[in-house]
Amino acid sequence: QSALTQPASVSGSPGQSITISCTGTSSDVGSYNLVSWYQQHPGKAPKLMIYEGSKRPSGVSNRFSGSKSGNTASLTISGLQAEDEADYYCCSYAGSSTLWVFGGGTKLTVL
Amino acid sequence: QVQLQESGPGLVKPSQTLSLTCTVSGGSISSGGYYWSWIRQHPGKGLEWIGYIYYSGSTYYNPSLKSRVTISVDTSKNQFSLKLSSVTAADTAVYYCARVNGSSTIDYWGQGTLVTVSS
Repeated sequence: QSALTQPASVSGSPGQSITISCTGTSSDVGSYNLVSWYQQHPGKAPKLMIYEGSKRPSGVSNRFSGSKSGNTASLTISGLQAEDEADYYCCSYAGSSTLWVFGGGTKLTVL
Repeated sequence: QVQLQESGPGLVKPSQTLSLTCTVSGGSISSGGYYWSWIRQHPGKGLEWIGYIYYSGSTYYNPSLKSRVTISVDTSKNQFSLKLSSVTAADTAVYYCARVNGSSTIDYWGQGTLVTVSS
């Protein structure tokens, strides 16, 4: 069982927007603005999409955005494209004892 | 551009020790400020932290694996390594080496290497 809870799957049609949630606790997501999101295509290494909750690395489309409310972080993808179909993982800092925890991953299907 | 590359046996027998090395290019492990990490992914499953090493040699291990894990660094070769002892089939996974920066972001990943535990 993962420390952070994500929906197992989400889906959307091209052009639509979807949101993936990542629920933690007051010991991780709720206490730190250090949530990151990773995209993983089959057989590939994960790729950083969002860091520090809402910042985008250079080269990542502005269709990807991140936010947080309380103990839940969210990744929103707008203007869905076929290439967005992948698994998405959240990760949060969880303090000096645990350090980092992952979510269980969400499979995004573009219909 | 920092690049990480895992190397090591793809097949390990049960009860033996899994050994992997990560070679870093495009940046120096000795420069500090980063946590050089190992992460694994069981087939069809999510990501699991194994641990990290700082350039100074300080380490952190996932408590669930701590008794079997050793991570070391060779700054002269710009490499860090993972040893996982007493492996079982449950340790079959893709193993990634990665760099974590000061804001807890995994900014660079290796391509990953599949290690199968089987006799």
